[in-house]
Amino acid sequence: EPEVTQTPSHQVTQMGQEVILRCVPISNHLYFYWYRQILGQKVEFLVSFYNNEISEKSEIFDDQFSVERPDGSNFTLKIRSTKLEDSAMYFCASSERPHENNSPLHFGNGTRLTVT
Amino acid sequence: AQSVAQPEDQVNVAEGNPLTVKCTYSVSGNPYLFWYVQYPNRGLQFLLKYITGDNLVKGSYGFEAEFNKSQTSFHLKKPSALVSDSALYFCAVRDISGGYNKLIFGAGTRLAVHP
Repeated sequence: EPEVTQTPSHQVTQMGQEVILRCVPISNHLYFYWYRQILGQKVEFLVSFYNNEISEKSEIFDDQFSVERPDGSNFTLKIRSTKLEDSAMYFCASSERPHENNSPLHFGNGTRLTVT
Repeated sequence: AQSVAQPEDQVNVAEGNPLTVKCTYSVSGNPYLFWYVQYPNRGLQFLLKYITGDNLVKGSYGFEAEFNKSQTSFHLKKPSALVSDSALYFCAVRDISGGYNKLIFGAGTRLAVHP
């Protein structure tokens, strides 16, 4: 069964540094998402992406965050200047159709980001 | 605002016994409800969804969920638990307020099935 893949599985960075988290969505999917889960807390929506532009973003997704689909397969999340509170598990997801049609999200295994 | 609540942090069940993981929701309009499971060091896997129709929804791995409108609940159930069902379970609702493609997750319930 096709999977969403994320790299790296664990990223350690110093406060103030830029990080790029990478994701390869399922190939025939058109809608892409980033969620994050701070340790012991809820899974939170960050951003959704369709047709090479952001379709929705949460309050968490401020100017320090950006997403990009640089080629036909990758979908990246960039944090420009990391803060301690950015430490979390970041999940990429994709869906064939938007939730308007209620097709489920397929999640990757996540990237654990640790900011020191 | 759309929300879901999972009142139990952890549920302990003996193998072979039925299990229930609880979820209640608060939505305006029709609810679109989902259950996901997260195994250690893995992403969230879709189990089942309720859109419309039958109140009893069947999903993957023998799980089912019962939609109860009067109690605003969507509890996850399985008739006979397996040790391999031990994982973190998340209830979610589709948020229609800002857009059409955002899920709001509950805090999660850890299911521990003992041999």
